[in-house]
Amino acid sequence: EVQLVQSGAEVKKPGQSLKISCKASGYDFGNYWIGWVRQMPGKGLEWMGIIYPGDSDSRYSSSFQGQVTISADKSLSTVYLQWSGLRASDSGMYYCARLPFSYGSGSYSAFDYWGQGTPVIVSS
Amino acid sequence: DIQMTQSPSSLSASVGDRVTIPCRASQNIDNYLHWYQQKPGQAPKLLIYARSGLQSGVPSRFSGSGSGTDFTLTISSLQPEDFATYYCQQSYSLPLTFGGGTRVDIK
Repeated sequence: EVQLVQSGAEVKKPGQSLKISCKASGYDFGNYWIGWVRQMPGKGLEWMGIIYPGDSDSRYSSSFQGQVTISADKSLSTVYLQWSGLRASDSGMYYCARLPFSYGSGSYSAFDYWGQGTPVIVSS
Repeated sequence: DIQMTQSPSSLSASVGDRVTIPCRASQNIDNYLHWYQQKPGQAPKLLIYARSGLQSGVPSRFSGSGSGTDFTLTISSLQPEDFATYYCQQSYSLPLTFGGGTRVDIK
């Protein structure tokens, strides 16, 4: 059974650093992209970026490029999302999700499995 | 970037109604269009992939159609558990983008 299990809720102060995690199981971790999606309170879904754990190739939305870092540890089957200096505007729910890629068509598919979400609150 | 537009942002319907939820892309995205359902306090759930593929375990009352720039999610007979927010998303090109969502609530 495919599962993505995310780390727990975080409460941080502005300027602090943070690293949240997404542990995968039930499939070949290195052969699927994993993405991060933000949802601010009462708002829609925003794609942040993706990583291919096989070689740590990553792509970012321009809105999040330079603001966050996505990384992966193949030995732990875990993907991370980290901030070096949080802002209040980073408060929200963060989801990881698996993203299959079709080498035949050269295109990404849909996010087929999702983690349960990690709420992040940044407040002084 | 490809913009995904969902309008209306909300609609009201009754149990048993046939419901159609539109989604428009700012340019041709072939069939790289996917639909998700999100209930309050839950993660999104994939319903339809590649315009019309029904994800495993999803009831057959859900269907997807359309092509190019205009797509539709149809719920053939709305059930109580279907009251939720529905998002479309394109994977034709990066950056991946979502529509703003359509909330379906009880009339």
